[in-house]
Amino acid sequence: QVQLVQSGAEVKKPGASVKVSCKASGYSFNMFGFNWVRQAPGQGLEWMGWITPFNGETDYAQKFQGRVTLTTDTSTNMAYMELRTLRSDDTAVYYCARDRSGKYSSAYWGQGTLVTVSS
Amino acid sequence: EIVMTQSPLSLPVTPGEPASISCRSSQSLLHNNGYNYLDWYLQKPGQSPQLLIYLGSLRASGVPDRFSGSGSGTDFTLEISRVEAEDVGVYYCMQTLQSPTFGPGTKMDIK
Repeated sequence: QVQLVQSGAEVKKPGASVKVSCKASGYSFNMFGFNWVRQAPGQGLEWMGWITPFNGETDYAQKFQGRVTLTTDTSTNMAYMELRTLRSDDTAVYYCARDRSGKYSSAYWGQGTLVTVSS
Repeated sequence: EIVMTQSPLSLPVTPGEPASISCRSSQSLLHNNGYNYLDWYLQKPGQSPQLLIYLGSLRASGVPDRFSGSGSGTDFTLEISRVEAEDVGVYYCMQTLQSPTFGPGTKMDIK
């Protein structure tokens, strides 16, 4: 069965960077892309970007352009989200989600990674 | 950016009764291929979101048939024919026509 297992919680200081990982299993890794979605405490969902392991093509939300980098490693079936120049309002749970086959629809989700930004 | 709105934002329900949630987009989500690029997700308490409906009306794998999606263009509806206790949580619509945006969410709980 499809599984996405994310890395553990992180605490970062303002201005630092964080890199969240997502280990995929149970399907052919190259065949489906990953969406990254975040959720601030008590708030709604916010799409950050998408990447396909097939050729590394990415698509970022304008809000995060220049501050986020999505990557994949096909040798280890891992997806990564790096967010730089962290601010307190980046405190959120970050989710990786595998697309259904149509780029943005997310059929499978990781358990989420809490990133806390605090001085 | 396509702005998504939902109503109601809070929905108390009675198990066994029907329920519906409305979602509107600031631009048409109807592609020239005939599909509406609109998803519905449910986030149960303490869990990750789960896909219920994609392309406006197609039920995702494993989703009970009491869930249905309808609508076209800018107006969409998620209907639950008979609510069960396990259906509580926050329901989000999300447009996938352009850079995705979510609605604010509708919190459904038991009366």
